[in-house]
Amino acid sequence: DVKVTQSSRYLVKRTGEKVFLECVQDMDHENMFWYRQDPGLGLRLIYFSYDVKMKEKGDIPEGYSVSREKKERFSLILESASTNQTSMYLCASSLPPRQFSYEQYFGPGTRLTVT
Amino acid sequence: AQSVTQLDSQVPVFEEAPVELRCNYSSSVSVYLFWYVQYPNQGLQLLLKYLSGSTLVESINGFEAEFNKSQTSFHLRKPSVHISDTAEYFCAVSLDSSYKLIFGSGTRLLVRP
Repeated sequence: DVKVTQSSRYLVKRTGEKVFLECVQDMDHENMFWYRQDPGLGLRLIYFSYDVKMKEKGDIPEGYSVSREKKERFSLILESASTNQTSMYLCASSLPPRQFSYEQYFGPGTRLTVT
Repeated sequence: AQSVTQLDSQVPVFEEAPVELRCNYSSSVSVYLFWYVQYPNQGLQLLLKYLSGSTLVESINGFEAEFNKSQTSFHLRKPSVHISDTAEYFCAVSLDSSYKLIFGSGTRLLVRP
């Protein structure tokens, strides 16, 4: 079974702090994703990475950056946390579309509260 | 732009009753369709998917969904729900040859005894 793990289930940070959210997958997937989930809005893509050191902006990248130094690890960084970044953050991984999979595997999520 | 619409934000239903969760999408190209389920305090799990072939797809726990190209729909159904089906359900669309999934806003299924 694919396993996607996230470093924290719950996190409380203060406004202006730098925040790191870590995600690790154990299935050698090329693609990794960061989403945020808010009530009534579903999942919105923040950033996507299709290979080590490669990244693309998703639909809502403002206020976030990412890092992928190793294939299995994808980090989301909030350079200066703000209260409007309070949300559930979900990491996912997948094979590339050319392998006809399309399915994304999700981690358990990190509920971040910024006070 | 492609989009996914789940009109019902919450669907309350009694145990053992049938249920349908609606999903419509807008796209002019070939799509792949998914239903994900999120149980309380957990991440998303794939429930079922349509890639090609038979338009009716089934999951191992009794859910089914039918791809209707003319109506651009992929509604999820179950003939008899259990308390344990209480969860949030997300419909998602992937465009042909794309890495990206576009999610609907989710439908919360609340099964009452």
